[in-house]
Amino acid sequence: DVKVTQSSRYLVKRTGEKVFLECVQDMDHENMFWYRQDPGLGLRLIYFSYDVKMKEKGDIPEGYSVSREKKERFSLILESASTNQTSMYLCASTESGRYTYEQYFGPGTRLTVT
Amino acid sequence: QKEVEQNSGPLSVPEGAIASLNCTYSDRGSQSFFWYRQYSGKSPELIMSIYSNGDKEDGRFTAQLNKASQYVSLLIRDSQPSDSATYLCAVRAGGTSYGKLTFGQGTILTVHP
Repeated sequence: DVKVTQSSRYLVKRTGEKVFLECVQDMDHENMFWYRQDPGLGLRLIYFSYDVKMKEKGDIPEGYSVSREKKERFSLILESASTNQTSMYLCASTESGRYTYEQYFGPGTRLTVT
Repeated sequence: QKEVEQNSGPLSVPEGAIASLNCTYSDRGSQSFFWYRQYSGKSPELIMSIYSNGDKEDGRFTAQLNKASQYVSLLIRDSQPSDSATYLCAVRAGGTSYGKLTFGQGTILTVHP
């Protein structure tokens, strides 16, 4: 079974802090994704990565950056957290080169910025 | 703008009934279609994937795809209270690399005893 883990289930940070959210997958997947999910807005793609050190912006990259130094690990960074970044953050991964492209999600991190 | 739209909810069905969830998509070149179930406070869980026209059955779940009508549906037979959740439709557009998906807004399903 695919396993995607995220570093924290709940996180509370102060405005202006630098925040790191980490995601690890154990299935040797090439592609990894960061989403945020907010009531009424659905799942929105922040960034994704298709290989080590390779990344592309999603639909809402402003205020975020990412890092992928190892294939299994994809980090989301909030350089200076703001209250409008309070949200549920979800990481997902999928294999590349296959027709299926089934995405598997981690448990999520509920981030509160005060 | 590539869009995925789901029937507005919430949808309420009695226990034992068939729940029907619908999804339309705008990109005619879309190739892969997925249904996720999401319980409140949890992350989405993949329950069905379908890639070719027709029906695909897995237990009480049946996914139906009609590419000509750009329509995908999920039927849940013998609905149980444990099926109460938000169901997300997701589509991989044609030419989309790296497995990027576009998600619908979700349909909230409530199965009442």
